[in-house]
Amino acid sequence: GAGVSQSPSNKVTEKGKDVELRCDPISGHTALYWYRQRLGQGLEFLIYFQGNSAPDKSGLPSDRFSAERTGESVSTLTIQRTQQEDSAVYLCASSRVSGGLNEQFFGPGTRLTVL
Amino acid sequence: AQTVTQSQPEMSVQEAETVTLSCTYDTSENNYYLFWYKQPPSRQMILVIRQEAYKQQNATENRFSVNFQKAAKSFSLKISDSQLGDTAMYFCAFMGTLSMDSNYQLIWGAGTKLIIKP
Repeated sequence: GAGVSQSPSNKVTEKGKDVELRCDPISGHTALYWYRQRLGQGLEFLIYFQGNSAPDKSGLPSDRFSAERTGESVSTLTIQRTQQEDSAVYLCASSRVSGGLNEQFFGPGTRLTVL
Repeated sequence: AQTVTQSQPEMSVQEAETVTLSCTYDTSENNYYLFWYKQPPSRQMILVIRQEAYKQQNATENRFSVNFQKAAKSFSLKISDSQLGDTAMYFCAFMGTLSMDSNYQLIWGAGTKLIIKP
């Protein structure tokens, strides 16, 4: 389909290893968001990309977290030296343009488990 | 800072019954947007319904409707004639218009797990 896709669906890693999570937004969507969802909790905002503007990284919890996006296409979220508290579902969303009236479409998420 | 509170961690109703999920929020802004999202076990987050604060009329989408009480800062979701497929986590979310200067960030509640029993 033409929805937001994320890969991998599940990732199990050992503490201290680096992981890279991928998000393919809906074609034509200029805004892209990364969220973290810990078990039984709501979503925590991580980072926001809008077109070619500088990303808003205000939600990144530590300098071990970084994200990139090339133009209005794929984004990758990288977590370095993973810790057990990084275990969560990482959700990506995109929208046509930013704004409350523009629905954020979510991907199925990547479940990260750090052993 | 804005906050969103969902006071019901879990609810369970029989199929075909009506259920209401509560959500309260705190903000000093006068204009904003409110959303209800559904997250089934597939993890796919799906927008159910949205409300613009400057609109007094409550939003409705088929079996889903909201009771928006701006003065009370309450935004409850009513599901009529509930179906087995409604079983999911339901999240209430807030977006302030001031945030549109920056990141259009959604502020999320902790969610309510809704179980529809056959």
